[in-house]
This record gives sequence, C-alpha cells and structure tokens, in this order.
Amino acid sequence: DAKTTQPPSMDCAEGRAANLPCNHSTISGNEYVYWYRQIHSQGPQYIIHGLKNNETNEMASLIITEDRKSSTLILPHATLRDTAVYYCIVRAYSGNTPLVFGKGTRLSVIA
Amino acid sequence: DGGITQSPKYLFRKEGQNVTLSCEQNLNHDAMYWYRQDPGQGLRLIYYSQIVNDFQKGDIAEGYSVSREKKESFPLTVTSAQKNPTAFYLCASSTSGSGETQYFGPGTRLLVL
Repeated sequence: DAKTTQPPSMDCAEGRAANLPCNHSTISGNEYVYWYRQIHSQGPQYIIHGLKNNETNEMASLIITEDRKSSTLILPHATLRDTAVYYCIVRAYSGNTPLVFGKGTRLSVIA
Repeated sequence: DGGITQSPKYLFRKEGQNVTLSCEQNLNHDAMYWYRQDPGQGLRLIYYSQIVNDFQKGDIAEGYSVSREKKESFPLTVTSAQKNPTAFYLCASSTSGSGETQYFGPGTRLLVL
C-alpha cells in the first residue's frame, strides 16, 4: 500500500501558485519523497525528489517539514498544461526499488 | 533520441489468446519495470528486473510473464490466465545514482475483444 495521503482533487487559477500537500507520517529515515505527474493517457513524468532539505528545479519546488511527516509541491505559476494527476511517493534511495503509487491528486488549472 | 519506447500503442486481445507488449530503452539503465493502470486508479507493479536474466514479481504478477535477456529489452506477456487484462500498461526504467529516477514510456492500452 501507498505510504502517502493526498487530497483527491484541487483547483488552481492559471498564473497562480499551485500548492499540493502530501502526508507521509510513517516515513523512515532512509526514504525520500518523490513527486511524479501524469497527464491524461500518458506515462508518468518525474518532477522532483528530496530527503529533508527543500529542493527546487525548473519545474517545481518541494518543501519538506522539519519532522519529515509531510511535504508540499509548489508549481509557482500554474498553466493549463499543468492539469494532471500528481503523485507523492515515499521510496528508499537504493537498489532501484519500484515505486508504490497511490491515487494521487487531480489538479485542474482553470483559465 | 534517448528514451523508452513501447509498442504497440493499442493492442486487442481475443479470449484465450496470449499477447506480448514490447518495451525497449536506450538509456543504458539497469532496472526495468512493468506497471498496470486501471481507470481512475494509480499504477500497480506487475514485474520488475534489476539486472539482466533476473526479475521479481510485483503485487499483481498472476497471469503475466516477463523475460530480461537483454539490458535494453523487457517484454511483458499477458497470458490467457489473466482474466481481466483490459488496462493501460506502462513500462519504466531506472539506474543507480542520480536519484534512481524512473522514466516511463508512453504506455500500451490493451483491450479485450
């Protein structure tokens, strides 16, 4: 079973920041938080991952709480093309272990 | 271009027929994975392989078989024992280091006639 809890759906106005929360209260010390997204009928796309420090790349920012029990993915300026299902996944960083997907959050960006 | 290719994009299976889904990667990745996705659901792991000539069952391996004879190829066979094969099938690959990020192919949609 997935080790994360996410809201089933969220809306965001185009051009505004989209903040997607994730709860992972049982995360272990060697587990990272990964975010993927899946646009309709496509394969999932990697967004970002982190251990305990905040991370930023060209797509998004990842904010992890100090106790590591929750995190937030931030899309700074959402566009219509960001409409997708977003998956938060907790995974150990070694041995090429498979990903365990929950149902994710369906983000709808509205014009 | 580097990446993962899956073929065909759509596949139709008759009752009692085995079908094979292709997955090829030219990323030189060690590990490859097969996931199944049903409508409105997340992905579920069928099989994965961390090295050539070795693979492990995932959560829903019954009715499926795989082989890993070459590093770049990981075909999935949906056998007649899989009673509900209609789904979206996704292949992925990853390698050690660099976050062990998994990269996904475009998927194959299997429909039963």
